[in-house]
Amino acid sequence: EVQLVESGGGLVQPGRSLKLSCLASGFTFSNYGMNWIRQAPGKGLEWVASISSSSSYIYYADTVKGRFTISRDNAKNTLYLQMTSLRSEDTALYYCAILGGGYWGQGTLVTVSS
Amino acid sequence: DVVMTQTPVSLSLAIGQPASISCKSSQSLLGTSGKTFLNWILQRPGQSPKRLIYQVSKLYSEVPDRFSGSGSETEFTLKISRVEAEDLGVYYCWQGTHFPYTFGAGTKLELK
Repeated sequence: EVQLVESGGGLVQPGRSLKLSCLASGFTFSNYGMNWIRQAPGKGLEWVASISSSSSYIYYADTVKGRFTISRDNAKNTLYLQMTSLRSEDTALYYCAILGGGYWGQGTLVTVSS
Repeated sequence: DVVMTQTPVSLSLAIGQPASISCKSSQSLLGTSGKTFLNWILQRPGQSPKRLIYQVSKLYSEVPDRFSGSGSETEFTLKISRVEAEDLGVYYCWQGTHFPYTFGAGTKLELK
């Protein structure tokens, strides 16, 4: 069974940093591109970033480019999202997902507030 | 960026009624591979999104066959032949042909 378990969310002040993790199991992690998608409270879905299976290709939404960094450790079956210079508008539930296969985690909540 | 426009915003239907949701993209979703990466997902209340349909019309294995998808280029439709209670939630279309990937604003299906 495919499982994606996000962690690392929490309350953080504007301008600070936070690193999210997504632990994958139930499939060969190193074979799949991975993604972060976020959902602000009561709002729709916004794609944040994608990384290819070998980290050769990385893409970001303009809203996070230059502030967020997606990475992965295939030996640890883990996807990361390093978030810096956080803003109130980054407040959201952050999902890890294999969009190509249609699998989503349960999400980890990031709240940016003073 | 590709804008995904979903209609209607909400649907209120009784069990057993058919449902139809439209999704239109601001540019063609036909990729250079010859594939069209238009997908549908369902987010039930309080849950993470669940997969329904990929590449316009292909159902994931666990999805009931009362769901169907159709369309091409810029116009797509999700249909439910007979709505059941477990179908309530918000339906999103999203495109994976062009970066940035983009989602529709969602269609909320409520039971009458």
